[in-house]
Amino acid sequence: EAQVTQNPRYLITVTGKKLTVTCSQNMNHEYMSWYRQDPGLGLRQIYYSMNVEVTDKGDVPEGYKVSRKEKRNFPLILESPSPNQTSLYFCASTPFRGGGANVLTFGAGSRLTVL
Amino acid sequence: AQRVTQPEKLLSVFKGAPVELKCNYSYSGSPELFWYVQYSRQRLQLLLRHISRESIKGFTADLNKGETSFHLKKPFAQEEDSAMYYCALSSNTGKLIFGQGTTLQVKP
Repeated sequence: EAQVTQNPRYLITVTGKKLTVTCSQNMNHEYMSWYRQDPGLGLRQIYYSMNVEVTDKGDVPEGYKVSRKEKRNFPLILESPSPNQTSLYFCASTPFRGGGANVLTFGAGSRLTVL
Repeated sequence: AQRVTQPEKLLSVFKGAPVELKCNYSYSGSPELFWYVQYSRQRLQLLLRHISRESIKGFTADLNKGETSFHLKKPFAQEEDSAMYYCALSSNTGKLIFGQGTTLQVKP
């Protein structure tokens, strides 16, 4: 089944403890992206990648890192999480044919709580 | 600056009433616009995109470049339409910008 898989789905951690949220897609998509969803603020793009070894900042990249060493994986790294990073995170992917992102396929979401 | 604005956080209507979810955008170029929907306990999914000019689940959206709007409309709301709706804009640099989202509540 074509899908985007995120792990973990739920995580409670403490301030400063490094964590990684993994994202994997099996559709050979070039474009992958991370979003956070917060009440009243909608979905905000954290980072995106248009292909392997190519990553760019979205609107809210502070406090996050990403890497794209393989086409299928796009992990989101929080080196030193803080409570303001408590949120619902979505990974998404799409074929990228130039001229802008195509229709996104979303993961199920990862709910992160930082105490 | 690229921006998508959905002015209503919550829109509540009765079953059978017309629905219009507002979306305004700011973009210096030719935008590609989408509506995504998130039903309860389901993943975000595409509802429709302006390029396709199609009607999905009775919903339509027309791009109005003069008013920089892409409002989502349905003539007769159904209870199963209750969900969170996001308007999104794709730039030619790869950024995909979402609005704040509107929760549609259809009452019986």
